[in-house]
Formats: sequence, C-alpha cells, structure tokens
Amino acid sequence: EAQVTQNPRYLITVTGKKLTVTCSQNMNHEYMSWYRQDPGLGLRQIYYSMNVEVTDKGDVPEGYKVSRKEKRNFPLILESPSPNQTSLYFCASTSATGRASNQPQHFGDGTRLSIL
Amino acid sequence: KQEVTQIPAALSVPEGENLVLNCSFTDSAIYNLQWFRQDPGKGLTSLLLIQSSQREQTSGRLNASLDKSSGRSTLYIAASQPGDSATYLCAVVTGTDKLIFGTGTRLQVFP
Repeated sequence: EAQVTQNPRYLITVTGKKLTVTCSQNMNHEYMSWYRQDPGLGLRQIYYSMNVEVTDKGDVPEGYKVSRKEKRNFPLILESPSPNQTSLYFCASTSATGRASNQPQHFGDGTRLSIL
Repeated sequence: KQEVTQIPAALSVPEGENLVLNCSFTDSAIYNLQWFRQDPGKGLTSLLLIQSSQREQTSGRLNASLDKSSGRSTLYIAASQPGDSATYLCAVVTGTDKLIFGTGTRLQVFP
C-alpha cells in the first residue's frame, strides 16, 4: 500500500531535549516536505526536499533541521525544542513538481508534539 | 508574498444541498492548485489537482474550477452527504515549488 509513515504519532517532551520525527514513503517520490498545523494559522511549510541531499527552507524553518540522505526518508529534527514548537506536524511527498506536474501531495497521518 | 484565503471558515448544511467552497490567492504565478480533505485526527487526503493551464477538474460529486487571472478557485460539492463532513483545504504550488495552504473551510452536513 502506498503510504507516508510518520513516527511517533504522539510525543510529550520537555524544553531542550532533542527529538527526531521520522518520515518514510514507499512510493519512490522525489519531493518530500514537512508542515506544521496550528489553529488559526493553517498549515505552514517548514522544509522541503526536491531530491536526495537537496533541502530548502519553507516559510517557518527556524528551530528545525532536516536531512535527506536517502530518497525514502526525510526526518525532522528539533535540536532544542521550545514550547512554541508544540503543534501538529505533517510529512508529505509527491512524485513530480513544477508547472507540468499533475501529481498531488500524499500526507502522513500527523505527529502531535507537546513541548512542556 | 503569496496568501491563500478560504471563505467561509465554517459551513453547516442539511443533507442533499449543493455547496460551493471558495479559495482565493494573491499571486497568480502558480504551478497548480490542490484541494484536500482533512478529517479530525487524520492527515490530508488529496481530492483534486488543477494545473495552471487547466480551468477545472471533476471527480465524482466534486468539481473544482480555477480562474488564475483573478486568483480564485471554487470547489463544488453536489448532493452533499453526512460523510462529506470534514475540513476542506485549498493549496497553491508556487513557482519555487512551495505549497501554500489556506486556513480551510469546516463543513458539517447533517441528516
């Protein structure tokens, strides 16, 4: 089954304790991205990756890191989490980008992070 | 900076009604526009994608239109059902391949 898998689904942790949220897709997609969803602000892009070893900042990259060492994986790293990073996070992937793209984004089920 | 707005923010209708959800964006230089559905506690499910060169797309009871020059898209839902209750999100893909979302329309269809 084609899917984007995020882990963990839920995490409560404390300020300053490094954490990683994993994202894996089994569709051989080139493009992967991370979003956070907050009430009243909608979904905002954190980072995206067009392919292996290529990453770019989205609209809200501060406080986050990503890596793309393999095509299928795109982990989100919070080196020193703070309470304002409490949010619902989504990973997504798609096979094609650009003007001619007719491929939609596939989303994971989300990771709810609470930073105390 | 691209901004995406969705109106209304919430909508509650009886079953069977035909609905129109609106999405507007400020910069017409987009690659495509996508409509998603989000159920509570779930991720997003893609409904329709309209490329910048297209005017509309249809899937079952759903029809989405795109008027790029005026920065507008509409999602038309025919003969609404309680199972259509969800939050509907539109998003545009910009010229730098960023996906910019609206804040969504929360739809409730009651029997």
